Amino acid sequence: GENVEQHPSTLSVQEGDSAVIKCTYSDSASNYFPWYKQELGKRPQLIIDIRSNVGEKKDQRIAVTLNKTAKHFSLHITETQPEDSAVYFCAAKKGAAGNKLTFGGGTRVLVKP
Amino acid sequence: NAGVTQTPKFQVLKTGQSMTLQCAQDMNHEYMSWYRQDPGMGLRLIHYSVGAGITDQGEVPNGYNVSRSTTEDFPLRLLSAAPSQTSVYFCASKGGSSTDTQYFGPGTRLTVL
Repeated sequence: GENVEQHPSTLSVQEGDSAVIKCTYSDSASNYFPWYKQELGKRPQLIIDIRSNVGEKKDQRIAVTLNKTAKHFSLHITETQPEDSAVYFCAAKKGAAGNKLTFGGGTRVLVKP
Repeated sequence: NAGVTQTPKFQVLKTGQSMTLQCAQDMNHEYMSWYRQDPGMGLRLIHYSVGAGITDQGEVPNGYNVSRSTTEDFPLRLLSAAPSQTSVYFCASKGGSSTDTQYFGPGTRLTVL
């Protein structure tokens, strides 16, 4: 089955700096890659996603890039703010339909003011 | 719309007890899933459903049963609780094959003594 690895497990950045989280996946048939943000005690919330026919997607301060050949994708957060502090999860799914997401282990991001 | 709802929010069980975690969605979504989240780990898929009357096993199905008699409800049953099932359980739902976004419920924190 699919395996998703996520690095780093923790990331501390100064407010205003950029943060980058990287994920690799094992199944070349995977075609959908979402990123979720989870604040302490809350549910995961989708922040951005990308499909395999796109190499990059941006939404204000966050962006995701996908390298299908290398089977890795990354989340980029620019101009970090204290409210960006949370745990971020990447995930992968294959198939046109279906709902079987395989998650990475998560990255705890701390933005220091 | 209430979105995805879960009950109870917290539960403490003794080893060997059984219980049902409830999940409901009011978005007329075809797809529903159950995940568990252990401390410091990502979410792992327990069971999923692609429509009423159809369920299948995910990554970690042992010790759990599901059924999907209606589109709205997807209960998760613990047959004989074990300490290894101490976790936070999230239910999620997704629309049809034309969309990939999964929406998570608020979670149930389960402790098995």
